[in-house]
Amino acid sequence: DAKTTQPNSMESNEEEPVHLPCNHSTISGTDYIHWYRQLPSQGPEYVIHGLTSNVNNRMASLAIAEDRKSSTLILHRATLRDAAVYYCILRALQGAQKLVFGQGTRLTINP
Amino acid sequence: NAGVTQTPKFRILKIGQSMTLQCAQDMNHNYMYWYRQDPGMGLKLIYYSVGAGITDKGEVPNGYNVSRSTTEDFPLRLELAAPSQTSVYFCASSGQGPLSYNSPLHFGNGTRLTVT
Repeated sequence: DAKTTQPNSMESNEEEPVHLPCNHSTISGTDYIHWYRQLPSQGPEYVIHGLTSNVNNRMASLAIAEDRKSSTLILHRATLRDAAVYYCILRALQGAQKLVFGQGTRLTINP
Repeated sequence: NAGVTQTPKFRILKIGQSMTLQCAQDMNHNYMYWYRQDPGMGLKLIYYSVGAGITDKGEVPNGYNVSRSTTEDFPLRLELAAPSQTSVYFCASSGQGPLSYNSPLHFGNGTRLTVT
């Protein structure tokens, strides 16, 4: 199973952009990159996903490197409510669908 | 729209007791998953299912069993509970139709289990 590597923690200030990196050097050509976040005392929630092109939605943007070996989740204007653990995972096109989460990045937002 | 429903929300078990954690989804999803999350740690995959009648082991299956007799339900059985199984358990589902690899996971609110 392709693995992902993320920094353990990051810190940012309110109303500033946040760039959360994820390395996935063993990604296969048909793996989708998914991002989830987990707010304190809650279950994880979906944020965004993509394959090759950069993606935007109301929550965030996803920038995918040209070689697809890394990606960056971008929160354009962080708020205190964005403080959470962010997980980057790879989802196969087909097959076992064994979705494994790594340790994630704990994001702290300073007021 | 209920989504993924887990019951119970909390449970305290004595060592050696057994119980079943219930998970139901009403989105006609193909894929269902059980994760556990120990305090301050990430999620570990216990078991998963790609459809009714099909289950497979995840990263940490020992001490657990699952079944998937219907599309909607994916119960997790703990036999002979041990203190090491104290954790928060999350059920998730995703995928409807041929492009289901592209669909996000929907998580339940979790079951907090303590084994003493």
